[in-house]
Amino acid sequence: KAGVTQTPRYLIKTRGQQVTLSCSPISGHRSVSWYQQTPGQGLQFLFEYFSETQRNKGNFPGRFSGRQFSNSRSEMNVSTLELGDSALYLCASSLDGRDYEQYFGPGTRLTVT
Amino acid sequence: AQRVTQPEKLLSVFKGAPVELKCNYSYSGSPELFWYVQYSRQRLQLLLRHISRESIKGFTADLNKGETSFHLKKPFAQEEDSAMYYCALKGGGYQKVTFGTGTKLQVIP
Repeated sequence: KAGVTQTPRYLIKTRGQQVTLSCSPISGHRSVSWYQQTPGQGLQFLFEYFSETQRNKGNFPGRFSGRQFSNSRSEMNVSTLELGDSALYLCASSLDGRDYEQYFGPGTRLTVT
Repeated sequence: AQRVTQPEKLLSVFKGAPVELKCNYSYSGSPELFWYVQYSRQRLQLLLRHISRESIKGFTADLNKGETSFHLKKPFAQEEDSAMYYCALKGGGYQKVTFGTGTKLQVIP
């Protein structure tokens, strides 16, 4: 079974631009969560989607948004990028009822200059 | 609010020495606690959960509700244990999983 995939793997953007990151979960997994990973803050929860609905949301500004499609693939969007948004963005998928066991993707490394 | 605290950013031990990675949590209800591990150049993965009460790769963790702790222990460290370890908490129902900031374990040969 293929693992969680994320595209692109690396991205360089300029302040003020917007970016869209994509995540394809493991087949059969309907829950997708997004995290921001930085050296100082560790993993910070952004949001979780289940069956195209946002089920949980972290404490990030409205510039961060996401969505999930009917095939469970998910995207997250960051508008008006700031230098502080530079981070590794991780996506994780899980089976319904087993959301404690999250399968992580390799991440997208976003650098904002 | 749920919170997970890992007080050590880096823990260095010699091979064969005991390991204890500390984790304290804050949660008003009955949480589920987990340890995730990330080896070099690999993805973050679940190591163990407190409900299963199992030993994985020689690691164990006991949930102490009185001290609100879930420390990860191993009696004899191996070089292959060197990795980043994250403690995580999940509240009841469909609540999110909250991760600690992680502890880097370095096993010195």
